[in-house]
Amino acid sequence: QQQVKQSPQSLIVQKGGISIINCAYENTAFDYFPWYQQFPGKGPALLIAIRPDVSEKKEGRFTISFNKSAKQFSLHIMDSQPGDSATYFCAALVYGQNFVFGPGTRLSVLP
Amino acid sequence: EAGVAQSPRYKIIEKRQSVAFWCNPISGHATLYWYQQILGQGPKLLIQFQNNGVVDDSQLPKDRFSAERLKGVDSTLKIQPAKLEDSAVYLCASSSQVSRSPLHFGNGTRLTVT
Repeated sequence: QQQVKQSPQSLIVQKGGISIINCAYENTAFDYFPWYQQFPGKGPALLIAIRPDVSEKKEGRFTISFNKSAKQFSLHIMDSQPGDSATYFCAALVYGQNFVFGPGTRLSVLP
Repeated sequence: EAGVAQSPRYKIIEKRQSVAFWCNPISGHATLYWYQQILGQGPKLLIQFQNNGVVDDSQLPKDRFSAERLKGVDSTLKIQPAKLEDSAVYLCASSSQVSRSPLHFGNGTRLTVT
């Protein structure tokens, strides 16, 4: 119940396209859902986050869509660029506990 | 602000040897975490400190792993003896408070056990 499932495992997108990564969870106590971006040889860095009382949050080219009833949330990267090529992790948090991370999606944006 | 510092960046040891990793969190961050990231997987929490006290070490293999955070600042993670399955990247992270604050990760130590 503490797991966060993430798909796809890998994704190849053409420059200018839309990248979509999906995550699903079971634990309805999760109340904070961040996305982290990790480049090779670097630690993960917070990209964008959302709370379940909001259905969508947008920051620049990055948007989180949240579906509370389906217990799913997704990351959309608009106008994908080669510099977006990285591994993306969704995560979930129960207040007072620790983050649970998804297994990651390796995104490659072709020039 | 300076980020989370970790050393060494890489370490290669033979199985049954010991190894130690060091982490210096962002100044003022009370909460410090050690994560293990196996290739192709998401980070898995090993231990969480709040100041110099342990908050959660439920997933730390205590028969071989130990960690301390002296004076509530720097931290060290030790493995003794190492096993082949300990090959991973060990990430240190810090945050300003326990919950809903973003984790700030260091660049990790890549451990290879041969």
